[in-house]
Amino acid sequence: EVQVVESGGGLVQPGGSLRLSCAVSGLIMSNYWVSWARQAPGKGLEWVANIKQDGSQKYYGDSVRGRFTISRDNAKNSLYLQMNSLRAEDTAVYYCAAAGLDYWGQGTVVTVSS
Amino acid sequence: EVVLTQSPDFQSVTPKEKVTITCRASQSIGSSLHWYQQKADQSPKLLIKYASQPFSGVPSRFSGSGSGTDFTLTINSLEVEDAATYYCHQSSSYPQTFGQGTKVEIK
Repeated sequence: EVQVVESGGGLVQPGGSLRLSCAVSGLIMSNYWVSWARQAPGKGLEWVANIKQDGSQKYYGDSVRGRFTISRDNAKNSLYLQMNSLRAEDTAVYYCAAAGLDYWGQGTVVTVSS
Repeated sequence: EVVLTQSPDFQSVTPKEKVTITCRASQSIGSSLHWYQQKADQSPKLLIKYASQPFSGVPSRFSGSGSGTDFTLTINSLEVEDAATYYCHQSSSYPQTFGQGTKVEIK
């Protein structure tokens, strides 16, 4: 059974930084693209970023490009999202998804507020 | 950016009824269209990959069709447990995008 578990969410002030982590088990993560998506309170899903198997290609949504950085550690079956220059509109549940967007975690809550 | 427009936004349906949700893309995306189900206070779950391929473990009452710009998710014989919001998602081009969602309520 594939399991995806996010961590690292919390309350941060505008302009601050936060690093999210995601642990994947039940599949060989190095064989797959992995992704982050988010969902603001009461809103729909928004694709955030993804990264190729070997980390050589990374893509970002327009609203986070230049502020967020996706990375992975295949030896640890882990995915990361470094979030800088956070804004109120980044407040959301952040989901990690393995094998593209096939398997999703339960999400971690990020709140940006003073 | 490819814009995905779902219709309807909301549907109230009686159990055992057939449900049809459409997703229209602003440009051709081939078959790179996927469907997800999100129940209240849960994370999304993949239902259909590449327009018509059922994901592992998905009940057979869920099916998908379409290609190019017009896609359909069909739920045959709706069950109470199918109350959820359904999203389409395209992986044809970056940035990847989602539709706005269709909420299905049980009457």
